[in-house]
This record gives sequence, structure tokens and C-alpha cells, in this order.
Amino acid sequence: DIQMTQSPSLLSASVGDRVTLSCKASQNIYKYLNWYQQKLGEAPKLLIYYTNSLQTGIPSRFSGSGSGTDYTLTISSLQPEDVATYFCQQYNSWPLTFGSGTKLEIK
Amino acid sequence: EVQLVESGGGLVQPGRSLKLSCVASGFTFSNYGMNWIRQAPGKGLEWVAYISSGSSYIYYAETVKGRFTISRDNAKNTLYLQMTSLRSEDTALYYCARLQSYYFDYWGQGVMVTVSS
Repeated sequence: DIQMTQSPSLLSASVGDRVTLSCKASQNIYKYLNWYQQKLGEAPKLLIYYTNSLQTGIPSRFSGSGSGTDYTLTISSLQPEDVATYFCQQYNSWPLTFGSGTKLEIK
Repeated sequence: EVQLVESGGGLVQPGRSLKLSCVASGFTFSNYGMNWIRQAPGKGLEWVAYISSGSSYIYYAETVKGRFTISRDNAKNTLYLQMTSLRSEDTALYYCARLQSYYFDYWGQGVMVTVSS
């Protein structure tokens, strides 16, 4: 199975900051990487698919990049409504696997 | 509007069985692969099982293989998860989720399963 490692596990930043979340795969996943946002008490929501494609309706301050084993989710200007846990997920091979998440807080 | 509504959860003793359902609406259910994904309290997401649109392809996580069975009834727009030999580590919020290409684009609100004596 492909292991997905996210860092940091907890991130505290100020409103307006540029924030970068990392996700590392245990092997090359050829950009087959998605990002989800989960707010407290809610189901996860798709943000980005195939490394850098923004899902419909997601604000443009969210962006993704990466290749090989290393991927990032960037929020260009952090907003209060971005407080959530963010998960990456690979689909290079079955079983589909998620990272353990990065919890994002406002400082 | 796409909707996925899970039901069937509850408190069950270890070793017993439970069957979850997920009723889909707002899209052509028979055109999409569907999944169950779970989240233990305070933990991350774990993909559990996948079934293709016509039930030809089925995959399971190793942690549930041989104990859980995913199925669907396209005439009823319903996805199922039959869970047997339940263990305490199966305690989680179970989501059904639609697979679009290879991403989960719609999720239900989840149904809680608690395995405890």
C-alpha cells in the first residue's frame, strides 16, 4: 500500500498569511493526488484533484502543486472560514489511501 | 442536487453484524462507482470498499476483507455495506461517497457505527 504522510499535523497561522501544507507519498504517484477539506462536524469536501485542478466552486486562493512523491496545498491568503483539517489522497493504486491530515488553525 | 443519505448505523456488540444503506439522488446512480469511507472518532479517513457502476469490480481494504461486503441496487439507487464479525476497531463514522474518475466528489453526512459490549 502507498503511505501518505502529511506535515505539519497542526498549523497555526494568521488571517491573510500564505499557508503551505505538505503531503509526501511513499512512492511515485504520478500526480494522482487529491486534496479534501473537512470542517468540524462536516463531511469532507473535495478541493483539488489531479494535483492542481480546482474543483468547481472552490475559491481561487486554494492551489495545488507537486510531482513524484511530494505535493503541496497552498492557501494564498488565509481566511477565517479556512479553519479545517486538510487531507491528501492518492489514487495511483488500490487501496486508495489518505494522509493523516493537517489541522489548520487561526493564530 | 446530488444527495447521499446513509442509514443503518447504531450500537452493536462485538462479533455481531450490521448493514448500512446509502440512498442516492440527484444523479444517475448506475453511472458511477461508489465507495464506503470511514473515520474513527478523532481520527483520519480510511477508505473501506469500492464497487463499480455495474458491480463488476469490487475492492476492499485489507482491514475489512472477508468481513464486509459492498453491494448496490441500481434500480433502488441504493448502496449497501454488510458488516459481519464486527470489532471495536470498526467503530467509526461511515460515509458513502461517489467516485468521479478517481476523486470523491460527493459525500454523505455519515452514519455512526459503535461496536461495544
